[in-house]
Amino acid sequence: ETGVTQTPRHLVMGMTNKKSLKCEQHLGHNAMYWYKQSAKKPLELMFVYNFKEQTENNSVPSRFSPECPNSSHLFLHLHTLQPEDSALYLCASSPTSIRADGYTFGSGTRLTVV
Amino acid sequence: AQSVSQHNHHVILSEAASLELGCNYSYGGTVNLFWYVQYPGQHLQLLLKYFSGDPLVKGIKGFEAEFIKSKFSFNLRKPSVQWSDTAEYFCAAYTSGNTPLVFGKGTRLSVIA
Repeated sequence: ETGVTQTPRHLVMGMTNKKSLKCEQHLGHNAMYWYKQSAKKPLELMFVYNFKEQTENNSVPSRFSPECPNSSHLFLHLHTLQPEDSALYLCASSPTSIRADGYTFGSGTRLTVV
Repeated sequence: AQSVSQHNHHVILSEAASLELGCNYSYGGTVNLFWYVQYPGQHLQLLLKYFSGDPLVKGIKGFEAEFIKSKFSFNLRKPSVQWSDTAEYFCAAYTSGNTPLVFGKGTRLSVIA
């Protein structure tokens, strides 16, 4: 375990479904991130939260909706996804977003959209 | 735009061969550089990082990387690979300020007996 826990590990959903991904860290970090990992592409940064405030939205479609109720929890709400959204979604945390050292990654949620 | 390039998509080596994976970045100013590894089915783990000082950085599991500022490069090396080094390797960069890590596309390393 890395200290960053993601659930579920695997998720299959239809294009009309609504689901949520959860990320939880108990490292005392104040910054949390969502990344998308697709085959043969760089890890794509999706969202950044620093002290519960969203500081970056990397032109992500509105069918992905993040939520950060506190510094330890981060959600990614999914609705009306497309098959091309199938990927590994990684959560990471760091002490703050000002310094990038100390990123800790979760194991990811493997999402398949059918 | 800031970017990190990893030119090798898939590298196949025999055990005991030497490894060098290329990484180039496009930032002009102060940059912090990282190598992460992702073993099959596991999370991304930090191998090593460079912030300042000695440009030759030693990491875990016998890996090292050399920062060459004039070439904008941060290549990863290991003198003798093992089958257990089979994984995907990601180079990442960060510039000072409120910007997150930017990753390369990754290089898949397959070590065969």
